[in-house]
Amino acid sequence: GAGVSQSPRYKVTKRGQDVALRCDPISGHVSLYWYRQALGQGPEFLTYFNYEAQQDKSGLPNDRFSAERPEGSISTLTIQRTEQRDSAMYRCASSLRGSDPFAEKLFFGSGTQLSVL
Amino acid sequence: GQNIDQPTEMTATEGAIVQINCTYQTSGFNGLFWYQQHAGEAPTFLSYNVLDGLEEKGRFSSFLSRSKGYSYLLLKELQMKDSASYLCAVVDSNYQLIWGAGTKLIIKP
Repeated sequence: GAGVSQSPRYKVTKRGQDVALRCDPISGHVSLYWYRQALGQGPEFLTYFNYEAQQDKSGLPNDRFSAERPEGSISTLTIQRTEQRDSAMYRCASSLRGSDPFAEKLFFGSGTQLSVL
Repeated sequence: GQNIDQPTEMTATEGAIVQINCTYQTSGFNGLFWYQQHAGEAPTFLSYNVLDGLEEKGRFSSFLSRSKGYSYLLLKELQMKDSASYLCAVVDSNYQLIWGAGTKLIIKP
């Protein structure tokens, strides 16, 4: 596609429910990143993939968070048993080559605003 | 620890020039990015510096001094649409991207 696409744009859920956030990167981009961004703050790294391989998941807060990119394109970030503290903007980004992770420009999606009630 | 410092907020006048500073303390250095983020929107790439000096790109320029751990973003001929947050981010020796909290720039007519 023309840009990084994320869905849904907004997600409201009840505490304890599972949610799945989807990211469709720019076609041909090797690397895909998940970030979380609080208002007035920079993005907080969660995890990233090169093709289908998860290269680094050190930023995932706990084992309720997981991500996959099974065919090296679309990725899903899953949060199980959501808690109120999970409420945030979740952003996906992609980059072209993936040869030097993070040392190339990122293209961000519009994000999914998650609200856990 | 690793740290990126930027002013929280700056105000400037339409048509003027503004300089947004960024200082960093990181474990190693593999480049510095500036991103622009309008309210409610995604960050978009502005510039990337890996060598010392000034890189000019239209109305925007970015400067880097690795020895001082310092960068600035210079915006000339300010327009109302330049009102946004400007995020500084540094790639450390482990190729991790360390983000600053951003500088909110307010442009007044």
